[in-house]
Amino acid sequence: SQQGEEDPQALSIQEGENATMNCSYKTSINNLQWYRQNSGRGLVHLILIRSNEREKHSGRLRVTLDTSKKSSSLLITASRAADTASYFCATSRGGGFKTIFGAGTRLFVKA
Amino acid sequence: DTGVSQDPRHKITKRGQNVTFRCDPISEHNRLYWYRQTLGQGPEFLTYFQNEAQLEKSRLLSDRFSAERPKGSFSTLEIQRTEQGDSAMYLCASSLIIGEQETQYFGPGTRLLVL
Repeated sequence: SQQGEEDPQALSIQEGENATMNCSYKTSINNLQWYRQNSGRGLVHLILIRSNEREKHSGRLRVTLDTSKKSSSLLITASRAADTASYFCATSRGGGFKTIFGAGTRLFVKA
Repeated sequence: DTGVSQDPRHKITKRGQNVTFRCDPISEHNRLYWYRQTLGQGPEFLTYFQNEAQLEKSRLLSDRFSAERPKGSFSTLEIQRTEQGDSAMYLCASSLIIGEQETQYFGPGTRLLVL
């Protein structure tokens, strides 16, 4: 079964608005990552946050991690039409354990 | 291009036929994963290799599926006696394990349609 579950399943916003996606997971983790997938393509790694980190920034992306609530959020500021894609969180327990992906949030940014 | 490559990008086959997909990982990466993704879902783990050793196989991987990674470089995923339910995107990813951290780099995928 998938460990990560994203919320909402789908999100539609206007260009320039901020988009927030949430991810919840069930077991302890070593790190959590966010990936983006454009329609019919492979996944692109966006950002990794370690379990001992609470917030991380990369360009217009801001990721938070709350290990006590087993949740993470991805904020995309000043969204653009090119941000239209599916976004997946993926969790890893580290060591020899595999990375597990959630079902994703489909973001649609209207120009 | 030094990214992960997959071949073919698309495959249409008739039910009962065998198909084989190839993945070429980033050259220095020691770990290689295979995933299956159906419409509207995230990637589902199938199997992964650490160098040439296959370390784990998902219960999703029936006896009709087999994967190899000879010499710890490229990998192949074979599906025998394909069924319509095998229609999906098959994704390959590679990574370089450094300590406890791992970032997977994905190929473009092979889209399989079983008629």
